[in-house]
Formats: sequence, C-alpha cells, structure tokens
Amino acid sequence: EDQVTQSPEALRLQEGESSSLNCSYTVSGLRGLFWYRQDPGKGPEFLFTLYSAGEEKEKERLKATLTKKESFLHITAPKPEDSATYLCAVPANYGQNFVFGPGTRLSVLP
Amino acid sequence: DTGVSQDPRHKITKRGQNVTFRCDPISEHNRLYWYRQTLGQGPEFLTYFQNEAQLEKSRLLSDRFSAERPKGSFSTLEIQRTEQGDSAMYLCASSSATGNQPQHFGDGTRLSIL
Repeated sequence: EDQVTQSPEALRLQEGESSSLNCSYTVSGLRGLFWYRQDPGKGPEFLFTLYSAGEEKEKERLKATLTKKESFLHITAPKPEDSATYLCAVPANYGQNFVFGPGTRLSVLP
Repeated sequence: DTGVSQDPRHKITKRGQNVTFRCDPISEHNRLYWYRQTLGQGPEFLTYFQNEAQLEKSRLLSDRFSAERPKGSFSTLEIQRTEQGDSAMYLCASSSATGNQPQHFGDGTRLSIL
C-alpha cells in the first residue's frame, strides 16, 4: 500500500532558527514528490515538485531536496509568516490521485 | 487564472439531511479531484474526473456519496443521509492532463453535522 509519513508532527522554532522537515514514502516508481503549504481554514497551496533523486528546488526561505526514499524541506531563518502546516504528497502507484502525508505543523515564534 | 473555487465555504446541517457542494476548477484544467480532510490529517482521495468521465473512486466513497461533472467543467459532490462521521473539510483540486502535474486546490467546504 502506498504510504507517506512526515516528521516531526509539530515543530516550534524561534524566528531565525533554521530546521528541516522530513517526508518519507514507500511508493515504487516515484512519479514526482509534491510539497504544499496549508494555512488554517484554507486549501493546500502548491510549493514544489521534485522528480528525481538529487533534485533541489528553492523558494525564498524554503529549499526542498529529494533522495530515493525521502524528501526534506529545509527552512532557513524562518519568519512568523512561515507558520503553517506543510504537507508532502506523491502520486499513487495505481491511479491519478495523490497520497498525502499527515503534515508537519510549523510554528515560528517572534 | 482565477484558481479553484468552492461553494459553500461552510455548511452546517442536521444528521440525515442531504448536502451538495460545488467546485469550479481552473478553466484550462481537465482533471478534477475531490478529497476529504479531517483535523490533523492530510487530504484523503475520494474521486477523480478526466473531463466529464469519473475514472476513479476510493473505497472511502460510500454509496451515500455521488459526484458529477456533467459538462467537464464544474463538479458537484452530494452526500445523502449525512452522518456524524461525514464532518470534515471537503477539498476540490484540479490539474492539467499532461504528465504528473501539481494539483491546485480550492479552499474547501467545511461540513459540520449536528
């Protein structure tokens, strides 16, 4: 069964304190890994797609990396506005839907 | 590109009532998805359309749930005889059909069953 796990479940950082979030997956034949940001009461907002091991993508204070079994979302010098839940997802082995992890709830304190 | 829009944003209803939600995808996207999300969890897949054809349904989609996309544009999700366990955020997403493209989400309909 396709599975996506994320750690930690929740993370509290001081403003400026860099850290990383982890996403591990068990699908075979990866057809892309997708990172989303979700604010309370809103739908997930697309951030990055990674397609192959070794690939990296950056956007402002966020950098996503991919290995054969996991992805990391690195947050450098975070600000309070980076507080959100970060979700990762992979296409299901069979079908067109995405399988989502449970998310990491990030809080950045001023 | 006005994004994916969902209506209503919130729905409160009594157990046993029927509810219907609407999703308008990004206009050039021919793939449309419905997901359900409960507190502290990631979205869970319900069903998928390519144009007007419903091509996939999750086993989560009981026979009380039905979805349509009559002209390959907007979609509706109906839940009949609602139950307490149906309380959740119902999310709609759309994507283009070329390769493995990201899915773009609306802000969802939050359903509360009294």
